[in-house]
Amino acid sequence: DQQVKQNSPSLSVQEGRISILNCDYTNSMFDYFLWYKKYPAEGPTFLISISSIKDKNEDGRFTVFLNKSAKHLSLHIVPSQPGDSAVYFCAASVGGGTSYGKLTFGQGTILTVHP
Amino acid sequence: DADVTQTPRNRITKTGKRIMLECSQTKGHDRMYWYRQDPGLGLQLIYYSFDVKDINKGEISDGYSVSRQAQAKFSLSLESAIPNQTALYFCATSDFRGELFFGEGSRLTVL
Repeated sequence: DQQVKQNSPSLSVQEGRISILNCDYTNSMFDYFLWYKKYPAEGPTFLISISSIKDKNEDGRFTVFLNKSAKHLSLHIVPSQPGDSAVYFCAASVGGGTSYGKLTFGQGTILTVHP
Repeated sequence: DADVTQTPRNRITKTGKRIMLECSQTKGHDRMYWYRQDPGLGLQLIYYSFDVKDINKGEISDGYSVSRQAQAKFSLSLESAIPNQTALYFCATSDFRGELFFGEGSRLTVL
């Protein structure tokens, strides 16, 4: 049972436009959500996170929105750049504290930003 | 030099062989993890360790074992490798805040 789902395997966007990556979850106990970015032949790297007590968190060009009632989060990248082309993983955890690091990941979305 | 180093980076082996993947870190973190990535499934947690004396099973621990030799070293073993253990394996560390720092991955192929 996939508790964290990224239903779009891939997304293609023009440079300068907005990229929106979506993620749905089924476990209502999840209270901390993260996005990781992965380039080929490298490990995933942390991008941005959000606690369930918030509905938005922003860091430069990256904004994560959380809709708890819909069990949905999204990552917005504005403006998109060719260097953003990578696989993006959504992840979630329960309970915080000692649960941090024990993440449930989505399948990933391949983002391609065209010049 | 990478903060989280995995060896080997690539390994091809045969069914039934014992394989060890090693991980060392220089971040000084107490918490270490082994994840597995399969196409279409994202990353799944195999084992995790919150300190040298603490080892815990993750979602998919069957067929795997681990050893935490020191704060900086965490190895993953496949006692008798099988083809469906062909995957990309990632070691990771975290501090108390939980952000994961991943190694570059070890690609294992079991024939």
